[in-house]
Amino acid sequence: GQSLEQPSEVTAVEGAIVQINCTYQTSGFYGLSWYQQHDGGAPTFLSYNALDGLEETGRFSSFLSRSDSYGYLLLQELQMKDSASYFCAVRDLGYSTLTFGKGTMLLVSP
Amino acid sequence: DAGVIQSPRHEVTEMGQEVTLRCKPISGHNSLFWYRQTMMRGLELLIYFNNNVPIDDSGMPEDRFSAKMPNASFSTLKIQPSEPRDSAVYFCASSLKGVRTDTQYFGPGTRLTVL
Repeated sequence: GQSLEQPSEVTAVEGAIVQINCTYQTSGFYGLSWYQQHDGGAPTFLSYNALDGLEETGRFSSFLSRSDSYGYLLLQELQMKDSASYFCAVRDLGYSTLTFGKGTMLLVSP
Repeated sequence: DAGVIQSPRHEVTEMGQEVTLRCKPISGHNSLFWYRQTMMRGLELLIYFNNNVPIDDSGMPEDRFSAKMPNASFSTLKIQPSEPRDSAVYFCASSLKGVRTDTQYFGPGTRLTVL
């Protein structure tokens, strides 16, 4: 089976940088994804890492260390609209299924 | 392009009633997923279809839950009989298996309340 750990809540101010960590335990690992979910909305895809290193997409970056079973999502130049829940998810070997962490609620204040 | 479509968006029913949730995946996608989200348990995978065939239903809670995918453009999740503990938001998602990221595209969800 798989399990993922991420902080339940993170707070930051507009313009700041925040890092959301995710550690995972899995019997088979293919990649680590990040999804964003605004209150009352649906999860939407942000980024994906299959190999070690940093992936950058605009203000968001995601990092993976397979040897440490660890990844993080980095959000720069925070905006109020970034207030949302952020989920890390591991993809199963072979299947296309994802196991999601419990999510990190990010609160961005003025 | 239309995204994943789910209906109804909200459903309020009484314990013991049958509930049917519907999903239309993105055209061309070959994988479909049903999830349940609650505060306590987070986002849980219920069942996964590939090319209309159920591949992994290990997340289906019990026999009261059933899912079908009669064709590539339609799937249903049925709960019979419903119980108050089934109250949750149910999401359908679709993806194109074989693409590097296997990005899943979620529908808007159905908020189910069982009284």
